[in-house]
Amino acid sequence: AQSVTQLDSQVPVFEEAPVELRCNYSSSVSVYLFWYVQYPNQGLQLLLKYLSGSTLVKGINGFEAEFNKSQTSFHLRKPSVHISDTAEYFCAVTPIYSGGGADGLTFGKGTHLIIQP
Amino acid sequence: DGGITQSPKYLFRKEGQNVTLSCEQNLNHDAMYWYRQDPGQGLRLIYYSQIVNDFQKGDIAEGYSVSREKKESFPLTVTSAQKNPTAFYLCASTDGQGYGYTFGSGTRLTVV
Repeated sequence: AQSVTQLDSQVPVFEEAPVELRCNYSSSVSVYLFWYVQYPNQGLQLLLKYLSGSTLVKGINGFEAEFNKSQTSFHLRKPSVHISDTAEYFCAVTPIYSGGGADGLTFGKGTHLIIQP
Repeated sequence: DGGITQSPKYLFRKEGQNVTLSCEQNLNHDAMYWYRQDPGQGLRLIYYSQIVNDFQKGDIAEGYSVSREKKESFPLTVTSAQKNPTAFYLCASTDGQGYGYTFGSGTRLTVV
């Protein structure tokens, strides 16, 4: 089984400041990792994902994340935030099976990013 | 454009009634999922299906039922046995490898 911990339920940041949203996971098998964003009363939009290769992953809207296998972390960063980045952010993992298959995503509880003018 | 359609967007149900949430995809994805979202709880997996006519329980399947008669469709029924059904429900799909999941825009169910 997998578990995901998002260390901050709420992160207030001033506009144009940098931000880091933290995510740690636990799994007995290798996993794919994802970050999603959710605006009020909407579905989830994929920001970025790590499947393999370079541990620094760049996504949409200027976000990036770094996979650290030894620390089982996948923290999300943005160098300069905008008011429009105000949303809920979810970290998620899914196990990798050599024979394929998709058992679904395990999510963290989310981090509410609040951008202050 | 390919995507997932959930309907209705808002749904009200009286206590004791069953209600069915619709989820349709035109992405030709094999696997489909239902998640429940509550404030501060993240998303929790209710049911999933990796192939037509087959499905598995997720972490919180009690009080819910599903069917998968067509590849494109994965309806969720919230039964009267679900003690606290008021929540936001999200449907998702993926190819068989799990490289990426696509989500619908959700259905907000309220029990009145």
